[in-house]
Amino acid sequence: NAGVTQTPKFRILKIGQSMTLQCTQDMNHNYMYWYRQDPGMGLKLIYYSVGAGITDKGEVPNGYNVSRSTTEDFPLRLELAAPSQTSVYFCASSYSRGLGGEQYFGPGTRLTVT
Amino acid sequence: LAKTTQPISMDSYEGQEVNITCSHNNIATNDYITWYQQFPSQGPRFIIQGYKTKVTNEVASLFIPADRKSSTLSLPRVSLSDTAVYYCLVGDIFNDMRFGAGTRLTVKP
Repeated sequence: NAGVTQTPKFRILKIGQSMTLQCTQDMNHNYMYWYRQDPGMGLKLIYYSVGAGITDKGEVPNGYNVSRSTTEDFPLRLELAAPSQTSVYFCASSYSRGLGGEQYFGPGTRLTVT
Repeated sequence: LAKTTQPISMDSYEGQEVNITCSHNNIATNDYITWYQQFPSQGPRFIIQGYKTKVTNEVASLFIPADRKSSTLSLPRVSLSDTAVYYCLVGDIFNDMRFGAGTRLTVKP
């Protein structure tokens, strides 16, 4: 299994541009998550999904959108990129939410907005 | 909101046992405790999870007292490769689980 894969690994955007961060998991997990991590800080939840067709906001959803059309894919869309969105973005997935619902993380996408 | 408090940083030496304690005074009855490890430029990696008493796996032990208001991650005989940030989490995203700043463990030779 490849686990959780993310593309691209690095990206530089100009202010106002848009892009989609891709996330795919091959573990047949129902739960998927998007986090951002700023330097020296912990991860902050942007959006999450409990299954195909169901998404919900996390702690910091403004400026982002998500969709979940399949179990495997959970893309994160940035519209009108701003410097405040410069961060490392991690996608994760888990089988469940309770005991045993540990999250598996992807390698991350490092995004710079200038 | 089950807020957690853990030391910002810790130093240790190779071969020593390291104990990182996390406080979670308002943990809810059905919350479980999960620890993750994160190396630079990588996503977090699950270490261990528990509800009460003691849990042990091949890399760590988790000690949870009866009142569950704290938990201690124990890493036996650390090596340089254990240098990382360790996060203590309580509950899940449906009850506002948050990654704090974590504990930065530095293992010295």
